[in-house]
Amino acid sequence: KNQVEQSPQSLIILEGKNCTLQCNYTVSPFSNLRWYKQDTGRGPVSLTIMTFSENTKSNGRYTATLDADTKQSSLHITASQLSDSASYICVVRTPSGNTPLVFGKGTRLSVIA
Amino acid sequence: SQTIHQWPATLVQPVGSPLSLECTVEGTSNPNLYWYRQAAGRGLQLLFYSVGIGQISSEVPQNLSASRPQDRQFILSSKKLLLSDSGFYLCAWGQGSKNIQYFGAGTRLSVL
Repeated sequence: KNQVEQSPQSLIILEGKNCTLQCNYTVSPFSNLRWYKQDTGRGPVSLTIMTFSENTKSNGRYTATLDADTKQSSLHITASQLSDSASYICVVRTPSGNTPLVFGKGTRLSVIA
Repeated sequence: SQTIHQWPATLVQPVGSPLSLECTVEGTSNPNLYWYRQAAGRGLQLLFYSVGIGQISSEVPQNLSASRPQDRQFILSSKKLLLSDSGFYLCAWGQGSKNIQYFGAGTRLSVL
């Protein structure tokens, strides 16, 4: 069964600290993996997208890694800011048409002063 | 640039009443369109997708239906809402080989 598991479920960190969110997946075949940021009550916004051959991609203070062999990805946030407080969702796509996204349940990150 | 509009932002409806949520996309043509539902504390669940006008595919059997009367318009409907229809509904569009999906702001539906 295609699944995406994220950990931790929630996380609280102090402003300025770094953190790493984890994503493990069993989706097969694999096309790409995306990380989304979803502010409370808003739609998700894409942060990064990585294909099989890419193992690191950065977007400002966000750096995503992908290990396609172990089927693991991480999202590292550097020098966190209060505005980073949000849910971070890992999504894996299979190459099977237009509907093939498998969503994780997300990690709820709270950055406090 | 492309934009996606979804409304209303919040909606409170009694059980048994009808529903119509609208989503429109600007700045692109022939996009793939999607309706998702996100229950509290749970991941996104794909409800419907459309690859063209009048073409609707349903991912899960339910009390809802979708229509695409125009290329960039996607509507989510129900004839009689159930309590279990409460949730956060998201419209998204995608295009291209990677089919990156761009989401609307969402509609918070409360059925009472």
